[in-house]
Amino acid sequence: SQQGEEDPQALSIQEGENATMNCSYKTSINNLQWYRQNSGRGLVHLILIRSNEREKHSGRLRVTLDTSKKSSSLLITASRAADTASYFCATDARHFGNEKLTFGTGTRLTIIP
Amino acid sequence: DTEVTQTPKHLVMGMTNKKSLKCEQHMGHRAMYWYKQKAKKPPELMFVYSYEKLSINESVPSRFSPECPNSSLLNLHLHALQPEDSALYLCASSQDWEDRVDGYTFGSGTRLTVV
Repeated sequence: SQQGEEDPQALSIQEGENATMNCSYKTSINNLQWYRQNSGRGLVHLILIRSNEREKHSGRLRVTLDTSKKSSSLLITASRAADTASYFCATDARHFGNEKLTFGTGTRLTIIP
Repeated sequence: DTEVTQTPKHLVMGMTNKKSLKCEQHMGHRAMYWYKQKAKKPPELMFVYSYEKLSINESVPSRFSPECPNSSLLNLHLHALQPEDSALYLCASSQDWEDRVDGYTFGSGTRLTVV
């Protein structure tokens, strides 16, 4: 079952612009992670934000987390053509004592050179 | 070594065949996972192994049989699959929950086609 819904489903922007993707989820989490996937191959972990954190930065990435609204956002600044990919949020949570990482629906990002 | 290696990269099999997917990691991770991903969909969890024991089976049909021979290896045995099982199969590993400081490490996947 999917934990998260992402918005928008698809996003096209000009190179150099900023891209923002949003993720909403339903249950309590231990942390939330963002992944990138190129051309239907393996996922690459981008950033992890814990439930007691509100904002985190890594290079051109900025992630926010609002546990009261059960939502997160990923901002990619100064986008590049190489950022074209699908981006997924994933919630890391315990279910009946077992830990599960559950992915959102994803955002397809296209950077136009 | 910071990689998860999956073999084969591509697999075409008939509905009566038996095949296996393999996954290997040497990062000392004690949790390993199989995910299934259909085109234009997010990955869906199939199985979780923690310390070489199966901890989660997400109601996966018995034609998929996981195996964890040791802490570095994870197999997925396939038998009597259906065409709708065609998908990208992803293996991942991670630190244990209590030690988690980073995300999962995914392999590049096996593209499976059932004919």
